[in-house]
Parts: sequence; structure tokens; C-alpha cells
Amino acid sequence: AQKVTQAQTEISVVEKEDVTLDCVYETRDTTYYLFWYKQPPSGELVFLIRRNSFDEQNEISGRYSWNFQKSTSSFNFTITASQVVDSAVYFCALRVTRDDKIIFGKGTRLHILP
Amino acid sequence: DGGITQSPKYLFRKEGQNVTLSCEQNLNHDAMYWYRQDPGQGLRLIYYSQIVNDFQKGDIAEGYSVSREKKESFPLTVTSAQKNPTAFYLCASSIVGGVGQPQHFGDGTRLSIL
Repeated sequence: AQKVTQAQTEISVVEKEDVTLDCVYETRDTTYYLFWYKQPPSGELVFLIRRNSFDEQNEISGRYSWNFQKSTSSFNFTITASQVVDSAVYFCALRVTRDDKIIFGKGTRLHILP
Repeated sequence: DGGITQSPKYLFRKEGQNVTLSCEQNLNHDAMYWYRQDPGQGLRLIYYSQIVNDFQKGDIAEGYSVSREKKESFPLTVTSAQKNPTAFYLCASSIVGGVGQPQHFGDGTRLSIL
């Protein structure tokens, strides 16, 4: 069975600090995709990034970066120089190629304090 | 612009009443999904459909029903059998067969008991 664990329920940091959101996944499948979504107070989930299991290259997009490590089954998300607009709930998710469903973690609520 | 429209944004249910949540998409996606979100619980899959006139139960289908008569529409009915319906409901869609493709989400419907 697949599982996604986001151990950090809630994080608060002061604006301009860096913050890392942890994501650990479990699957026996060798082919899978990992995703991060952002849920602002408005409620809609916004897609941020996807990674397939064969691509362990880290990715940077502006102030966002992602660290994928198969050896530790982790797909962590770092926000550099955080801003108040980054305040949201962030979800990590996993999908294996033989399944129609995406498995979501329980989310990490991030508060960026001005 | 293509997207997913959920209505209403807020909905109130009386005891013993069935209510229907609307979800419409113009992304030409074949697959559609319904999730329930409770505080601290992440997203849990209720039902999903990959093709018109066909749908499958998710992890928490009891007390809910769906139909898929048109590709664009996937309404969710919360029946009186669902004893704890208060939650935030999210509809999503994606391309069938595109495992690496992200799901696109609507803005959600917040359901409360009167």
C-alpha cells in the first residue's frame, strides 16, 4: 500500500526566513510520481511540482526548491526568503502508475509572520 | 479560461435531507474526482470516474452517491445516510492515462449541518 507522511502539522516562521517542509513516502512500486500542492485560504489546491521516480534531480523555481532522495524516500520542499503570501497548507502526494488514485499526505500548515 | 467550477461555495443541510454539490469542468478531462477534507485529515477520496457512465468508490464512499452522465459534469450527492457530512468538498479532474499529469482542483464547497 502507498502512504505519504508529512510529520510537520504546523510551522510558523518569520518573514524572510527559509523553511523546509518534509515529505516521506512509502511504496513498493518502482515507477511513481510525487507532487506538491499549495492550498491558500481560498481553498483551491494549486499544483506546484511533479517528479517521477526516475528523475532525482533537484529542482529550483524562484524561491522554491525541491529535494528528491529515493534512498530516504523523501521529497522535501524548501521556501527561501519566505513571504507572507506563502502562508498556506501544503500537501505532498504520491501516485503509482498502476493506480488511478493519488495518495495525499495530511498537509503542513505554514504561517509566515510579518 | 479552462477550469473547474464548483457550486455552491457554501451549503447547509438539514437533518434527513439529501444535498447535491455541483462540479463542472471545461478542460476536456476524462477523469474526475471528489475529495473530502476535514481539519488535520488531509484529502480523502470519495468517488472517481474515468469515463462517462462509469465511476468507482474511493476510500470513504458510504453515504455519498455520484453520477457521470456528461463528460463535463460530476455531481456529488450527500445523502441522509452520511451522519457527519460537515466538511470541505473538493472536486478535481485530470487526463486519463497521464499518470504524471497533475489533478486540477475547483474552489471547493463547504457543507455544514443546520
